[in-house]
Amino acid sequence: AQSVTQLDSQVPVFEEAPVELRCNYSSSVSVYLFWYVQYPNQGLQLLLKYLSGSTLVKGINGFEAEFNKSQTSFHLRKPSVHISDTAEYFCAVTAYSGAGSYQLTFGKGTKLSVIP
Amino acid sequence: KAGVTQTPRYLIKTRGQQVTLSCSPISGHRSVSWYQQTPGQGLQFLFEYFSETQRNKGNFPGRFSGRQFSNSRSEMNVSTLELGDSALYLCASSLTGGRMNTEAFFGQGTRLTVV
Repeated sequence: AQSVTQLDSQVPVFEEAPVELRCNYSSSVSVYLFWYVQYPNQGLQLLLKYLSGSTLVKGINGFEAEFNKSQTSFHLRKPSVHISDTAEYFCAVTAYSGAGSYQLTFGKGTKLSVIP
Repeated sequence: KAGVTQTPRYLIKTRGQQVTLSCSPISGHRSVSWYQQTPGQGLQFLFEYFSETQRNKGNFPGRFSGRQFSNSRSEMNVSTLELGDSALYLCASSLTGGRMNTEAFFGQGTRLTVV
């Protein structure tokens, strides 16, 4: 079974400052890693994903994440945040669950608040 | 192309009642997954349907059930509602839900309140 830990439940940051949202995972098998964003009263939107290859992954809205297998981490970064980045961010992993199914397991989420 | 559509968006039910939620996936997508989101437990996987068959199931009681139709639309049903069932229920669709589940598109969710 796999699990995901998002180390910070809330992260306040000033506008135009850099931000890092931390994510660690555990799994006994190979996993694929994702970051999703959720705006108030909305569903989840995929920001970026790591499947294989380059460990630095670039996503939408200027976000990027780095896969570190030795530290089992997949931290999300943005060099300069905007007010519009205020949202909740979820790290997720997926691994084979049998019968052709790959189940997403989510972290508890990190609420990013961008301060003007 | 149209996204994932969940209906209704909001629902208020009384304890002990049952409820049915609907999810229409993106055209051509055959896999539909359901998740429950609560402040305390976060996002938890309920079940996945693929080609009208339940392919995977999370750790929820039998009161939670679902089905998928031949057009890939899915419904989930919760019987004998409890206060703790109050949550945002999210549906996600993908082409096959297969190897990488890389393109799981989420609907806006149904906010269920049990009183």
